[in-house]
Amino acid sequence: GAVVSQHPSRVICKSGTSVKIECRSLDFQATTMFWYRQFPKKSLMLMATSNEGSKATYEQGVEKDKFLINHASLTLSTLTVTSAHPEDSSFYICSASTIAGSTDTQYFGPGTRLTVL
Amino acid sequence: GNSVTQMEGPVTLSEEAFLTINCTYTATGYPSLFWYVQYPGEGLQLLLKATKADDKGSNKGFEATYRKETTSFHLEKGSVQVSDSAVYFCALKGLGNEKLTFGTGTRLTIIP
Repeated sequence: GAVVSQHPSRVICKSGTSVKIECRSLDFQATTMFWYRQFPKKSLMLMATSNEGSKATYEQGVEKDKFLINHASLTLSTLTVTSAHPEDSSFYICSASTIAGSTDTQYFGPGTRLTVL
Repeated sequence: GNSVTQMEGPVTLSEEAFLTINCTYTATGYPSLFWYVQYPGEGLQLLLKATKADDKGSNKGFEATYRKETTSFHLEKGSVQVSDSAVYFCALKGLGNEKLTFGTGTRLTIIP
């Protein structure tokens, strides 16, 4: 089946630094990628939706200047957490879809655990 | 807005036991309903889905029936196996092409 990878799986950084998380679709072309975050014992919350070659659409309350999303190719999207702070510590999950904008055919990555000291 | 409430875990069962994980939802109109499973170290995978009232989704021995009258989509399996140990997420998608709304997830552990 379709496989989505994330790198790194775990990252620890100092407050004020930036962290980049990669999401790759390994065996299919992803026209749409989604970024979620999950706090302990909470639901997955959609942060943004990105279509290849265009700007990401952010959910209400998500700071676009803090969470930079780039979807430059059909197999790679990146999420950069800029000037990270401890409250940004979370589990970040990406998913990829083969049909533009469709949420029925999402394939999920294994997630990235970010800890900001 | 849309929301999903699912049974808090963790849930621990013996092999061959009967499983129920409750899920209820709040949504306008008639959403599509999903169960996703996340095995250790892997991404979420779609387990089953139902798109209209009274539909029953099924896969790998798991079943869930879309109950509009009780706004529920409970996950069931008659005889669980150790390999079913995972985190299970209930989710819904509203009309059109809206985003997925997830429950908090239920961690299931099956002991031999």
